[in-house]
Amino acid sequence: DAGVIQSPRHEVTEMGQEVTLRCKPISGHNSLFWYRQTMMRGLELLIYFNNNVPIDDSGMPEDRFSAKMPNASFSTLKIQPSEPRDSAVYFCASSLGLGLMNTEAFFGQGTRLTVV
Amino acid sequence: LAKTTQPISMDSYEGQEVNITCSHNNIATNDYITWYQQFPSQGPRFIIQGYKTKVTNEVASLFIPADRKSSTLSLPRVSLSDTAVYYCLVGVWNQGGKLIFGQGTELSVKP
Repeated sequence: DAGVIQSPRHEVTEMGQEVTLRCKPISGHNSLFWYRQTMMRGLELLIYFNNNVPIDDSGMPEDRFSAKMPNASFSTLKIQPSEPRDSAVYFCASSLGLGLMNTEAFFGQGTRLTVV
Repeated sequence: LAKTTQPISMDSYEGQEVNITCSHNNIATNDYITWYQQFPSQGPRFIIQGYKTKVTNEVASLFIPADRKSSTLSLPRVSLSDTAVYYCLVGVWNQGGKLIFGQGTELSVKP
């Protein structure tokens, strides 16, 4: 398996524009996480899905952020409209999330977003 | 979720053994202890996980005392490439629960 695949790797956009980040989890994994990382705030959990259903979106900063998981192999994180303070590295991760054994999460390479 | 506390930074030299301790006084009975490693410009990577006593793999060892209120990640004979941020996480994720990262410990290995 190629691991968790995120696209694009880098995104530069102007303030006010819509930004869509994409994630393809590892096949067979049923939990998916979106994180944001900045120097000031560290690694923040934004939202996570289990079996394509959003379980907890309490980390989503505001209504400008939305996430979807239409099927088991694809998820998007959308920011509309984008603001300079949204500049960060956004990570997607997936895990098996089932069974008695605790499971590890596998992270993608991240998308570095710059809003100017 | 149990709160974790670990040193913000540590320095070491190549060839030394490094021990990073994490405190988790409010750990619950079902909680596991997991450590992740993050290199610059990369996503975190799972290193090791344990529930009690000692766990060892090809990368590290994890020591957990009987009361489980702390744990120590041990990296034997570190090299420059072990320079990274190390995160301690406590919780249960086998049902897809939250995976919350704290501030981590920034390890700097010098020649």
